[in-house]
Amino acid sequence: RKEVEQDPGPFNVPEGATVAFNCTYSNSASQSFFWYRQDCRKEPKLLMSVYSSGNEDGRFTAQLNRASQYISLLIRDSKLSDSATYLCVVNLSGGYNKLIFGAGTRLAVHP
Amino acid sequence: DGGITQSPKYLFRKEGQNVTLSCEQNLNHDAMYWYRQDPGQGLRLIYYSQIVNDFQKGDIAEGYSVSREKKESFPLTVTSAQKNPTAFYLCASADGPTTDTQYFGPGTRLTVL
Repeated sequence: RKEVEQDPGPFNVPEGATVAFNCTYSNSASQSFFWYRQDCRKEPKLLMSVYSSGNEDGRFTAQLNRASQYISLLIRDSKLSDSATYLCVVNLSGGYNKLIFGAGTRLAVHP
Repeated sequence: DGGITQSPKYLFRKEGQNVTLSCEQNLNHDAMYWYRQDPGQGLRLIYYSQIVNDFQKGDIAEGYSVSREKKESFPLTVTSAQKNPTAFYLCASADGPTTDTQYFGPGTRLTVL
């Protein structure tokens, strides 16, 4: 079983749609969680951290469910510029900053 | 401007040749990391360094070597012992070894012919 699993997609949605991605992680000792965005052939960039209480940044909402070991990302009112691959990232901590990356979920927003 | 630079952006090498990828940061970060990304897979950690003159193997260190002689520089050498070197290589840095957020350079796409 992969340490971090994501549906690879692609999710093809029209502009203005709401789309949600889920991610599951296997290590219950995981300490912190993130969503990164990666455009085609570019480096990943931090989108947002994920907290147990849930957090929102504009059109983006992230949720963490520790009991079920999954993380979600909700994008409202999708824009063409949201088209990218979204990486779920888990930090195992404990000694050094070890990030475990999911393979990513591809989102394609069309007019 | 502060940031992480990697060079070159694209690199082509013949099989059996060693090649060194550059990574420089002017963020004054202590920790630096090298990852490899292959299609359909998550980033995998090759080597990391928590402080100058110290580095540790990651999950897939075989066939790679690094050095950390200066705080701002963490070059990666892909040796001929690496069986499948063609990949997208990403360097990252973080403020400290236990700081969550890592910042990535633009990457080097290595193709071995």
